[in-house]
Amino acid sequence: NAGVTQTPKFRILKIGQSMTLQCTQDMNHNYMYWYRQDPGMGLKLIYYSVGAGITDKGEVPNGYNVSRSTTEDFPLRLELAAPSQTSVYFCASSPGQGNQPQHFGDGTRLSIL
Amino acid sequence: GNSVTQMEGPVTLSEEAFLTINCTYTATGYPSLFWYVQYPGEGLQLLLKATKADDKGSNKGFEATYRKETTSFHLEKGSVQVSDSAVYFCALSDRNSGYSTLTFGKGTMLLVSP
Repeated sequence: NAGVTQTPKFRILKIGQSMTLQCTQDMNHNYMYWYRQDPGMGLKLIYYSVGAGITDKGEVPNGYNVSRSTTEDFPLRLELAAPSQTSVYFCASSPGQGNQPQHFGDGTRLSIL
Repeated sequence: GNSVTQMEGPVTLSEEAFLTINCTYTATGYPSLFWYVQYPGEGLQLLLKATKADDKGSNKGFEATYRKETTSFHLEKGSVQVSDSAVYFCALSDRNSGYSTLTFGKGTMLLVSP
């Protein structure tokens, strides 16, 4: 009954470091998403994927990269961490188009110092 | 582009009070509308949805009606509980995105005291 699992839960990075936020889902969902949540700003879509091998930019993709080599995994890469990337990151998945709800992980809280 | 506007919080209520959280939207065509809830330290969970005009979504005592004429989807509950304290997000998806992505409002924090 895992659903969407994100690791790590917390991380502190120095400016210029790189890291990968991991996301995996066990529901065989085709669609996966990465969001960032900043205080009082709601959720902003970073990247999304409609299936293995297919990714597309969301509203705020700059400074991030993604890949989707399997249905289950959708990692988010930060190459050169900047203070503006301090945020809470959420991964989500859904079965597909239409009005299917998105299922969210518990988030990764990332601080860039 | 699409946008969702929610009333600013926090909304502070006593237990058993009536709740309304306003949500209005701007979208092309006929969007689907959603309310998500986020409890402290957790991700978002779908609370309810409506896919066409005049539809009413309901779950756990919460209701919202899709009003196309006023482009609104206000969330209501007749009697709130302390356990309803959370952040509530209104969201939409539309045909332009193939209904594959969501546009979220900024969220409204609800605090319920005993």
